[in-house]
Amino acid sequence: EAQVTQNPRYLITVTGKKLTVTCSQNMNHEYMSWYRQDPGLGLRQIYYSMNVEVTDKGDVPEGYKVSRKEKRNFPLILESPSPNQTSLYFCASSYLTGSSYNEQFFGPGTRLTVL
Amino acid sequence: DQQVKQNSPSLSVQEGRISILNCDYTNSMFDYFLWYKKYPAEGPTFLISISSIKDKNEDGRFTVFLNKSAKHLSLHIVPSQPGDSAVYFCAASIYGGSQGNLIFGKGTKLSVKP
Repeated sequence: EAQVTQNPRYLITVTGKKLTVTCSQNMNHEYMSWYRQDPGLGLRQIYYSMNVEVTDKGDVPEGYKVSRKEKRNFPLILESPSPNQTSLYFCASSYLTGSSYNEQFFGPGTRLTVL
Repeated sequence: DQQVKQNSPSLSVQEGRISILNCDYTNSMFDYFLWYKKYPAEGPTFLISISSIKDKNEDGRFTVFLNKSAKHLSLHIVPSQPGDSAVYFCAASIYGGSQGNLIFGKGTKLSVKP
């Protein structure tokens, strides 16, 4: 089954304790992205990657890191989480072609609470 | 500055009637527009899209209309069903989405009452 998986689905942590949220896709997609969803703010892009070893900042990258060492995986790293990073996080992936739109597939989400 | 705007946070309609969700954008470089649907505890799923070379795209009960001069698009759901109750996100991209990035609106929560 084609899917994007995220782990963990739920996480409660404390300020300053490093954490990683994993994202994996089995569709051989070039493009992967992380979003956060907050009430009244919709989906905002954190980081994206257009291929292995190619990553770039989205709209709200502060406090986050990513890596893309393999095509299928795109982990989101919070080196020193703070309460304002409490949010619902989504990973997404898609193909990239030059001529047509490529549907983004989303993972189920990770709800993070930073105390 | 918000480039994709959904000015109605919520919408309530009766089952069987038409639901109309609206979206405005400011960036004239956008050339591809999409609607995503999101149920609680799930990730968004793609619903329907439209290229800027068209003004209408239809898929079953869902139709998206694009008015480029007004920088406005709308999603029509006819007839609305209780299972359509979800948050709907409008999204836009440049270069047909070939570079991947989508700009999302804040979403509109649709409630369809039986």
